[in-house]
Amino acid sequence: DSGVTQTPKHLITATGQRVTLRCSPRSGDLSVYWYQQSLDQGLQFLIQYYNGEERAKGNILERFSAQQFPDLHSELNLSSLELGDSALYFCASSVWGNRGETQYFGPGTRLLVL
Amino acid sequence: AQTVTQSQPEMSVQEAETVTLSCTYDTSESDYYLFWYKQPPSRQMILVIRQEAYKQQNATENRFSVNFQKAAKSFSLKISDSQLGDAAMYFCAYRNSLGAQKLVFGQGTRLTINP
Repeated sequence: DSGVTQTPKHLITATGQRVTLRCSPRSGDLSVYWYQQSLDQGLQFLIQYYNGEERAKGNILERFSAQQFPDLHSELNLSSLELGDSALYFCASSVWGNRGETQYFGPGTRLLVL
Repeated sequence: AQTVTQSQPEMSVQEAETVTLSCTYDTSESDYYLFWYKQPPSRQMILVIRQEAYKQQNATENRFSVNFQKAAKSFSLKISDSQLGDAAMYFCAYRNSLGAQKLVFGQGTRLTINP
């Protein structure tokens, strides 16, 4: 158990709908990363937040948005869903130590768009 | 942009034997980090081992070790005394030392352990 929690574990929805994925980082971790794992694109970085502020953006669609709240949990919002958005969405939180930063992944949310 | 390539989509090994998974990467940076993550059927991403580019010594974690060749931009993972629980997808990942700290992943290698 990495200490990173994600809810829900599974989500089935229809095209055109909107969903929210939630992530709680490990206690004390300020950074949250979102990744998407799909069959055709592999594992891709979407976005990073650090202590409530957006830090870096990857290949995140305009239909997707995220935020990090004062209690450091993060939400990834996916709207106008398409079949191709079906994927496993991971959240990771990171800790800095004497060997640099290490990202620990949550169990993921499996999204199926029908 | 940095890229990571895993040229072996699938590998198999006999239980108790040794197997090496290959990874190459491309970067113009001199300081960075490299990782191997394991993804078992549960889909959880589990950190196996990490390597700092500024360190010449290869990282080792129990039965897992790496062969880091900075000039060749190669980062292979060696698993000794393979166990059934090692069966999983293995992903090689790269991260810059400075700037964006996102992980860049390879395509993965599916490792099968034969009893």
